[in-house]
Amino acid sequence: AQKITQTQPGMFVQEKEAVTLDCTYDTSDQSYGLFWYKQPSSGEMIFLIYQGSYDEQNATEGRYSLNFQKARKSANLVISASQLGDSAMYFCAMREVLSGVGTSYDKVIFGPGTSLSVIP
Amino acid sequence: GAGVSQTPSNKVTEKGKYVELRCDPISGHTALYWYRQSLGQGPEFLIYFQGTGAADDSGLPNDRFFAVRPEGSVSTLKIQRTERGDSAVYLCASSLTNEQFFGPGTRLTVL
Repeated sequence: AQKITQTQPGMFVQEKEAVTLDCTYDTSDQSYGLFWYKQPSSGEMIFLIYQGSYDEQNATEGRYSLNFQKARKSANLVISASQLGDSAMYFCAMREVLSGVGTSYDKVIFGPGTSLSVIP
Repeated sequence: GAGVSQTPSNKVTEKGKYVELRCDPISGHTALYWYRQSLGQGPEFLIYFQGTGAADDSGLPNDRFFAVRPEGSVSTLKIQRTERGDSAVYLCASSLTNEQFFGPGTRLTVL
C-alpha cells in the first residue's frame, strides 16, 4: 500500500499566485514527522518544511506553509506568491520511528512527487 | 560550511561488477540516510545509520547491497554483482535533528 500519496503529477500556477500541493499519508504510528522537499532540474534535494505529528500549529517557513490535518492524514504544502524559481519537483515525505523490544524501525518514505510549473 | 559530499559523482560499470559509493556527511551529524532515486520517481529509502550502527536497513533491496559507517562519519554503500536495474541516482543525506541535508548524489549506470 502507498504510504505517501501525491495525486497531482503536474501543476501549473501563475506567477505571484498561491498554489497548494496535495499530500496524504498512511501510518498507524502516533509519532511521525512530515517533510516537503523541492528538487529543481539540477537534481539537488532542498528541504522546505517539517511538521511533527504532535505539533499543534501548522508549520510555516517564509512563503511555505504546511496545512496539517491529522484526522484526514493530509499534509498539503501551500506556496504563496509563486516565483519562476519555484518551478521544480516537490516531494512529500514521512518519517516513521518505532523503538520497541523485538520490533524497531526508523525510515523516511517519499511520495512520487508533483511537478510544479510557474507561468510568467 | 561544507555540505554533504558524495563520490564519485558519476560511475559507469559493467553488469556483474562490484561498486562502492561514498558519502561524507556534515561534520557532527549523527544520522545518515541512503536513498536510491530512479528517473521520474521519488527517492526510495535504503538504509539509516544512527552513529555507527544501522538502525534500519529494511530498504536494502537484496543481499547484494550492503552499507557501512565504521567510525560514525563517512559511509560507504557497496553493491555486489551489479545488475542493469541498479542504475539510478544514489542519494545520501545527513541530519542532526529533523532537517535532512542531501548530497548531490552519485549517478550509477550499469551497462
